[in-house]
Amino acid sequence: DSGVTQTPKHLITATGQRVTLRCSPRSGDLSVYWYQQSLDQGLQFLIQYYNGEERAKGNILERFSAQQFPDLHSELNLSSLELGDSALYFCASSHRDYRSTDTQYFGPGTRLTVL
Amino acid sequence: AQKITQTQPGMFVQEKEAVTLDCTYDTSDQSYGLFWYKQPSSGEMIFLIYQGSYDEQNATEGRYSLNFQKARKSANLVISASQLGDSAMYFCAMRGGTGGSYIPTFGRGTSLIVHP
Repeated sequence: DSGVTQTPKHLITATGQRVTLRCSPRSGDLSVYWYQQSLDQGLQFLIQYYNGEERAKGNILERFSAQQFPDLHSELNLSSLELGDSALYFCASSHRDYRSTDTQYFGPGTRLTVL
Repeated sequence: AQKITQTQPGMFVQEKEAVTLDCTYDTSDQSYGLFWYKQPSSGEMIFLIYQGSYDEQNATEGRYSLNFQKARKSANLVISASQLGDSAMYFCAMRGGTGGSYIPTFGRGTSLIVHP
């Protein structure tokens, strides 16, 4: 158990819908990262927050947004869902800010299926 | 830009034997970190081992060791005394200061199957 929690574990929804994925980092970690893992694209970095502020952006679609709250939990919002958004979404956390090489610890993931 | 290459899509090993999973990286940064993660069929990503670019000794964590050859830009994972539970996907990753972003980069992974 990495100490990072993600809910829900599984999510099945329809095209055009909107969903929210939730992540709680390990105790003491201030950075939260979101990743998307699909079979064809591999593990893709989406976005990082540190202590409530956005720090780095990767290949995140405009239909996707995220935020980190004062209690440090984070939510990833996916809207206007398409079939191609079906993937495993991971949250990871680390202690330090983005200008560091410290270890990220991953949550168990949320498996999103868009029908 | 940073790049991680894992050239072995699949590897097979006999139980109790050692296996090496290859990883090469490309970066112009002097300061970076290299990581290996394990992803079993259940899906979670499990951190295994870390090597800093300035570390002079190869990292070890139990049965895992990282064969770090900086000049060759390689960071191979060695698993000693393989166990059936080691069957999983293994990902090599790095974080470095490219453009100040430190965005993590992952390889495509190597699937390891341990035979009894």
